[in-house]
Formats: sequence, structure tokens, C-alpha cells
Amino acid sequence: GDQVEQSPSALSLHEGTGSALRCNFTTTMRAVQWFRKNSRGSLINLFYLASGTKENGRLKSAFDSKERYSTLHIRDAQLEDSGTYFCAPRSGGNYKPTFGKGTSLVVHP
Amino acid sequence: NAGVIQTPRHKVTGKGQEATLWCEPISGHSAVFWYRQTIVQGLEFLTYFRNQAPIDDSGMPKERFSAQMPNQSHSTLKIQSTQPQDSAVYLCASSLDQFSNERLFFGHGTKLSVL
Repeated sequence: GDQVEQSPSALSLHEGTGSALRCNFTTTMRAVQWFRKNSRGSLINLFYLASGTKENGRLKSAFDSKERYSTLHIRDAQLEDSGTYFCAPRSGGNYKPTFGKGTSLVVHP
Repeated sequence: NAGVIQTPRHKVTGKGQEATLWCEPISGHSAVFWYRQTIVQGLEFLTYFRNQAPIDDSGMPKERFSAQMPNQSHSTLKIQSTQPQDSAVYLCASSLDQFSNERLFFGHGTKLSVL
């Protein structure tokens, strides 16, 4: 959506390495949610943040409402991390959830 | 909690036929969303309901597409006179509350193939 700029659009990692995905927002958002689309096309919930950071295993996400961005860090990447990652900022009220265009991640042996 | 349930998982229709897609949101969730996912367009918003009332259908094609939410336990997306360009994965999501807890939960989607 126009409110969300997600980068990079594509990312290639070797197993065991790491990187960061980023979403920039054009307006102030209340919260952000991160998803991974798996090989079957299902959208898997990764994080929902209204502020600060959250960590789950090898994934860590941060959200800065004031600076209008969110990041998703992946460390020690594994083959099963491959997929497309989406961020979806939430502006609250009766505004529809918008999605970034996604980052396609491929993890190589 | 079975999560958001979408049926059928796959639907194949001939050009010009009607297709009805079903979504059962998570019990207690007040907001229900429909999206369409294609390789070219990515994730496109279609419409959403809150407490069964339509709130925003700005993403719905004006012709042939309609969505209903007759009760709190299910929503339908109907496509009349399906066309090949309607082929996509249609995703339904629900959230507890549009204001205080906006976390989205998606179903597995319905893959529509129009021949």
C-alpha cells in the first residue's frame, strides 16, 4: 500500500547468516504486525507490536511509532526461513489494514 | 481454537460461473477482513466488516463481487460470472477488536481457479 514502504524487495542469505528487513510508514501508526507467507501460501503471524521490541527465537522485531518504521531481524538463518515477509502497520479506527509489498527471502545452504 | 476457517480450500470454476467463498472467523472476533493474493498484485484489500456491519469495501471490484456477513460466525464472498483474472488466493482474516486489539489472524485461504 502507499502508506508502507518495505525493503529490500528481495534478499538472499546463506544459512547461519542474518539480516534486517525494514518497513517505513508515511504516517504515524499505532502498531505493526509482521507475517511470513509459507510455501503453502498461508500467512503466519510473527509479531504484533504497539511499541518497543519483541524477540522470538532467531527473530526480533522493533517498532518506532514516532520515527515511523519497524524492523525485523533474522539471525542464524535456516532454510525453513525462506518465504515472503510482510509488514502490516495498523493505524486504528475504521482504517483498513495495509500491507507492504513484501520481502522475498531465500536462504541458501 | 481452530483459527480462521475458510472453505473450500480449492475451487475450480468455469468462466461465467458463480463462486461463493466462506469464512468462519475466530469466535469472539468482531472484525472480519477479505483480501486477494496474486503474484502480480500482491496482497490486495477487498472489504471488511466490524460487528457484522460493512465498514470499507473500497477494494471490491464494483461489478460481480459482493460480500456478506449475515451473522457473527461467518462471512461470504460471492463472485458472479467469474473470469480468468479472478483467479487468486482469497484470504479471510479476523481480529478481536478493530480499536484496542488489532492483531490479524488469517485463514489458510481459498485458491480460486477460473478456467
